[in-house]
Amino acid sequence: EIVMTQSPATLSVSPGESATLSCRASQSVSSKLAWYQQKPGQAPRLLIYGTSTRATGIPARFSGSGSGSEFTLTISSLQSEDFAVYYCQQHYNWPLTFGGGTKVDIK
Amino acid sequence: EVQLVESGGGLVKPGGSLRLSCATSGFAFGIYSMTWARQAPGKGLEWVATIVSSGTSINYADSVKGRFTVSRDNARNSLYLQMDSLTAEDTAVYYCARRIAGTQLWTMDLWGQGTMVTVS
Repeated sequence: EIVMTQSPATLSVSPGESATLSCRASQSVSSKLAWYQQKPGQAPRLLIYGTSTRATGIPARFSGSGSGSEFTLTISSLQSEDFAVYYCQQHYNWPLTFGGGTKVDIK
Repeated sequence: EVQLVESGGGLVKPGGSLRLSCATSGFAFGIYSMTWARQAPGKGLEWVATIVSSGTSINYADSVKGRFTVSRDNARNSLYLQMDSLTAEDTAVYYCARRIAGTQLWTMDLWGQGTMVTVS
């Protein structure tokens, strides 16, 4: 099983600033990495798949990068609606696995 | 409107069973692989199982293998999760989710709002 590790656990950011979230895989997942956003009481929302492809309707301020076992989600100029928990997920092999999440809160 | 609506959650005793349903609408259910995932209270996301569009291939997490059974009825646009031998560790919100279209990638682009299962 591929273990996904996200850091930091919590990131405090001021509105308008950028945020950089990290995700590390215990082995290479090639470019098979997705990012989800989840707000309290809501279902996850797909942001990025295949490391860097934005899902339908996702604003350009969300960008993904990386390869192999190290990945980054960057949120530029954070808006109020971006404060949430973010999960990475490898879609390289079974079982599909998620990281533990990074909570982005208001500084 | 494209949507997934889970139902069937509730309170069940350890060792008991529950069957979850996911009713879908607004898209061609029969051509999509579908996934069940769960989230324990205050915890992260955990993949449970994925079934391909035809229903002929299913992958399960080790934590549920042998106890949970995924099925689908393409004529009814519905997905199911039969959960047996439930334990407290199965307490979670259960989500159904659709595999993203147009790719060969096992990621999910549409999620239901979830149904809560409490084993106590």
